[in-house]
Amino acid sequence: DIQMTQSPSSLSASVGDRVTITCRASQGIRNDLGWYQQKPGKAPKRLIYAASSLQSGVPSRFSGSGSGTEFTLTISSLQPEDFATYYCLQHISYPYTFGQGTKLEIK
Amino acid sequence: EVQLVESGGGLVQPGGSLRLSCAASGFTFSAHYMEWVRQAPGKGLKWVGRIRNKDNSYTAEYAASVKGRFTISRDDSKNSLYLQMNTLKTEDTAVYYCTRVPAYGLPGPSDIWGQGTMVTVSS
Repeated sequence: DIQMTQSPSSLSASVGDRVTITCRASQGIRNDLGWYQQKPGKAPKRLIYAASSLQSGVPSRFSGSGSGTEFTLTISSLQPEDFATYYCLQHISYPYTFGQGTKLEIK
Repeated sequence: EVQLVESGGGLVQPGGSLRLSCAASGFTFSAHYMEWVRQAPGKGLKWVGRIRNKDNSYTAEYAASVKGRFTISRDDSKNSLYLQMNTLKTEDTAVYYCTRVPAYGLPGPSDIWGQGTMVTVSS
């Protein structure tokens, strides 16, 4: 199975901060990676697909980059509604695997 | 409106069975692969499995932890996805989400999620 190592597992930041979350794959996954945002008690929401493509309707302050084994999700200027848990997901080979999540909290 | 609505969750004893359903609306259900993802209380997301569409013979893939116990099926005439769960274990306790995989050559992963249904396996 492909292991997805996400870091950090938690992060405290302030409104207006720039934040970066990293996902590393245990083997190359081309750009077959997505990022999701999940708020408490809610279903995950897709933010990024194909590593760097922004989902329609998602604010442009979210961006993704990377290919192969290293990927990043960047939020350029945190807004109050961005405090949530973020997950990466590889979908190149079965079983698909998620990172363990990054909980983004208000400082 | 594109929507997925899960149902069928509840409390079941270890070793028991449960069938989850997912009703799809607002899109051409038959064209899409569909998946199940679960989340144990306070934990991260875990992929459960996928079923392909008719053009791909409705074949399925499963996570090792559920293979042989869970079966994913679909009824395109009813726009519905199912998860038959047998020989349930306490570690299967989770919220189960139904998800849609993009079709028509559009890139994945799952873009639409249901609200989830809770399954509790306990004596």
